[in-house]
Amino acid sequence: DIQMTQSPSSLSASIGDRVTIACRASQSISNFLNWYQEKPGEAPKVLLYAASNLQSGVPARFSGSGSGTDFTLTISSLQPEDFATYYCQQSYNAPKTFGQGTKVEIK
Amino acid sequence: QVQLRESGPGLVKPSQTLSLTCTVSGDSISSGGHYWSWIRQPPGKGLEWIGYVYYSGKTYYTPSLKSRLTISVDTSKNQFSLKLSSVTAADTAVYYCAREVLPAASDKYYFDSWGQGAQVTVSS
Repeated sequence: DIQMTQSPSSLSASIGDRVTIACRASQSISNFLNWYQEKPGEAPKVLLYAASNLQSGVPARFSGSGSGTDFTLTISSLQPEDFATYYCQQSYNAPKTFGQGTKVEIK
Repeated sequence: QVQLRESGPGLVKPSQTLSLTCTVSGDSISSGGHYWSWIRQPPGKGLEWIGYVYYSGKTYYTPSLKSRLTISVDTSKNQFSLKLSSVTAADTAVYYCAREVLPAASDKYYFDSWGQGAQVTVSS
């Protein structure tokens, strides 16, 4: 199985901050990497697919980059509605695996 | 707009079988092109992909659950189902069903639609 490791596990940030979350795969996955946002009591929602493609309806302050084993999710200016947990997920092969999550909290 | 909805018992006794059904509306499972997955989230933990079924009945199960798991599809009802046998407290989780799609001009799948989640507790 491909292991996905996110860092940090949690972070505190203020409104307007630039936030970066890293995701590393245990082997090369090209750009078969997706990012999801999860809020308490809600199902996860896709933000980006294929590492850098913004899902329709997702604000442009979210962006993604990377290829191979190292990927990054960036929120350019943190908004109140962005406080949530973020997961990366590889779709390179089955079993599909998720990172352990990064919780973004208010500073 | 596609909608998925999980249904099934919220409480299952240890050693028994957990059964959930996902009803799909706004899309036809039999049209093909998408994979239909189960994903779970234990309390306070992250997401774990369980397995998928294709409209043809083809399945893939995560190795750690393979010996206890059955995922099936009923295209006549536009539903797919999960059965997990010999459950223990470690199987307590919110169970999501989700659609995995392949966007146009891409070969990269992702989960674009999720059910609201079904809380399943394993306890005597």
